[in-house]
Amino acid sequence: LAKTTQPISMDSYEGQEVNITCSHNNIATNDYITWYQQFPSQGPRFIIQGYKTKVTNEVASLFIPADRKSSTLSLPRVSLSDTAVYYCLVGDQPSGTYKYIFGTGTRLKVLA
Amino acid sequence: NAGVTQTPKFQVLKTGQSMTLQCAQDMNHNSMYWYRQDPGMGLRLIYYSASEGTTDKGEVPNGYNVSRLNKREFSLRLESAAPSQTSVYFCASSEAISRVYGYTFGSGTRLTVV
Repeated sequence: LAKTTQPISMDSYEGQEVNITCSHNNIATNDYITWYQQFPSQGPRFIIQGYKTKVTNEVASLFIPADRKSSTLSLPRVSLSDTAVYYCLVGDQPSGTYKYIFGTGTRLKVLA
Repeated sequence: NAGVTQTPKFQVLKTGQSMTLQCAQDMNHNSMYWYRQDPGMGLRLIYYSASEGTTDKGEVPNGYNVSRLNKREFSLRLESAAPSQTSVYFCASSEAISRVYGYTFGSGTRLTVV
């Protein structure tokens, strides 16, 4: 079971870059790392996914070191609307099936 | 808009009543999932369906049953509701039950059992 560990909460100010680190020491060789964003009263929304090195899209960047035991979600120049809970997931493969396990996530609060 | 549709959005049940939560996706996804989220908590997997015709238990299946009616629809049934089942229920789908593909979530059903 590839569990993840994230900070429970973070505060930031508008315009700053925010980095949220996730620890996944038991990640399996074939596991991808996926990040989701959840606003209040909504379902989680897929942000970014990666396997190694760096992945960038229009929303965020994902940095994964060579040992893959951690990953960092980077949100450039956050705004108030980025206030949300961010989940880091890696695959869970018991008995040949795949089930995403969500932890409690990181509650990001962006301040004016 | 393409996505995952859940009905109803809100429901209040009395202890012991039964109900079915409906979920439908129009993205031709193979895999579907039901999660519950308690206040201030992360999501916990109740049941999932890797493909049409198959269902399997997740982390917290007790008190629930599911039906994969066809490729589009995946319902969750509470046979005898209990206050401990008060939660927000999310349905999700993905192209395949694989680490490679991300999930698309519905907007949730807020259930209160009194």
